[in-house]
Amino acid sequence: KQEVTQIPAALSVPEGENLVLNCSFTDSAIYNLQWFRQDPGKGLTSLLLIQSSQREQTSGRLNASLDKSSGRSTLYIAASQPGDSATYLCPNQGGKLIFGQGTELSVKP
Amino acid sequence: DTGVSQNPRHKITKRGQNVTFRCDPISEHNRLYWYRQTLGQGPEFLTYFQNEAQLEKSRLLSDRFSAERPKGSFSTLEIQRTEQGDSAMYLCASSLRTENTEAFFGQGTRLTVV
Repeated sequence: KQEVTQIPAALSVPEGENLVLNCSFTDSAIYNLQWFRQDPGKGLTSLLLIQSSQREQTSGRLNASLDKSSGRSTLYIAASQPGDSATYLCPNQGGKLIFGQGTELSVKP
Repeated sequence: DTGVSQNPRHKITKRGQNVTFRCDPISEHNRLYWYRQTLGQGPEFLTYFQNEAQLEKSRLLSDRFSAERPKGSFSTLEIQRTEQGDSAMYLCASSLRTENTEAFFGQGTRLTVV
């Protein structure tokens, strides 16, 4: 059974810091890896999709990498801003999306 | 807006009543997923469709829950005889058929059972 673990569970940083969010999977048979953000009380917004043949993907200040051999993915956020405050989720996608509990990020002005 | 649309956005119901939620996926997407999310938790998988076929149902989906996608377009999720434990955000997502494509979520339906 695929399980997703996200570390840390919560993170608070001052504005401007670079930070890394981690995601690991119990089953390294990873298909796509899609990172989402979720604002309180809202749906999920797609940030980046790393396809199974790729190792990383970049969008603006975000860079996500995928190491299939170890079953891990990281999301790097450069020069964090208060607007980045949200919960970040990294489900594995193999027919259906399987979620962990996410990382709750707070960026303080 | 051609994103995933969910209605209603909020629903308050009395315990024991039936409720039905609707999800309209992105038009060319043939996969549709339902999830349930409670406060502080990640989304939990309920069921998914490929076109009109329901391919998988979670053990979380008790006999009181039923989902349909009759013509392979919109989907409905019905909860019969609601219980307070059903209070949650119900999320719908859609994607193209293959495993290498991006999934998109709607804004969710917030259900409160009083």
